[in-house]
Amino acid sequence: EADIYQTPRYLVIGTGKKITLECSQTMGHDKMYWYQQDPGMELHLIHYSYGVNSTEKGDLSSESTVSRIRTEHFPLTLESARPSHTSQYLCASSRRPNNSPLHFGNGTRLTVT
Amino acid sequence: GENVEQHPSTLSVQEGDSAVIKCTYSDSASNYFPWYKQELGKRPQLIIDIRSNVGEKKDQRIAVTLNKTAKHFSLHITETQPEDSAVYFCAASGNFGNEKLTFGTGTRLTIIP
Repeated sequence: EADIYQTPRYLVIGTGKKITLECSQTMGHDKMYWYQQDPGMELHLIHYSYGVNSTEKGDLSSESTVSRIRTEHFPLTLESARPSHTSQYLCASSRRPNNSPLHFGNGTRLTVT
Repeated sequence: GENVEQHPSTLSVQEGDSAVIKCTYSDSASNYFPWYKQELGKRPQLIIDIRSNVGEKKDQRIAVTLNKTAKHFSLHITETQPEDSAVYFCAASGNFGNEKLTFGTGTRLTIIP
């Protein structure tokens, strides 16, 4: 079934560790996004990509980095996790035409101890 | 950049009554206004969207109205049911280089049986 998949669903990790949150979509979408959201709160765009080898920073400053080597894959990496990174990270994708609806993944709930 | 304000932050209505959530935006160039519903512990899902060339759109019990002059848009849910309980987010985006979605702060809607 065409969808957008995020792994892991939950992650508890110690301060200073390097982590990668995975996001893959099988919908053939060109555009992909990462949002940060505290539970039930506002969604903040931290990274986006309009295609392979294209990445941009979003409106919320983030210490994370992203890569887009394949159309379907958009991983997010934190080189050194800190407690302030504790949050939910939502990946999303959309078709190429402007203002197409976003399809979200189920999210990764990250806790840094 | 775009700024989206959403009111109220919480809303409780009796089952069967109507619910209205309002949003205002700042960028007059914005032309796409989606609404997302996020149930507890789940991903946000698009429920309805409207583009600037129409003033109203309806889908069964859900309707959205847009006033471009006043730069505000509203979500109307009629005959509310318990499964309507969720957090609702409005969003706005423009075109031609400014198509990133900016989300409102969310409204937690509770339907009282």
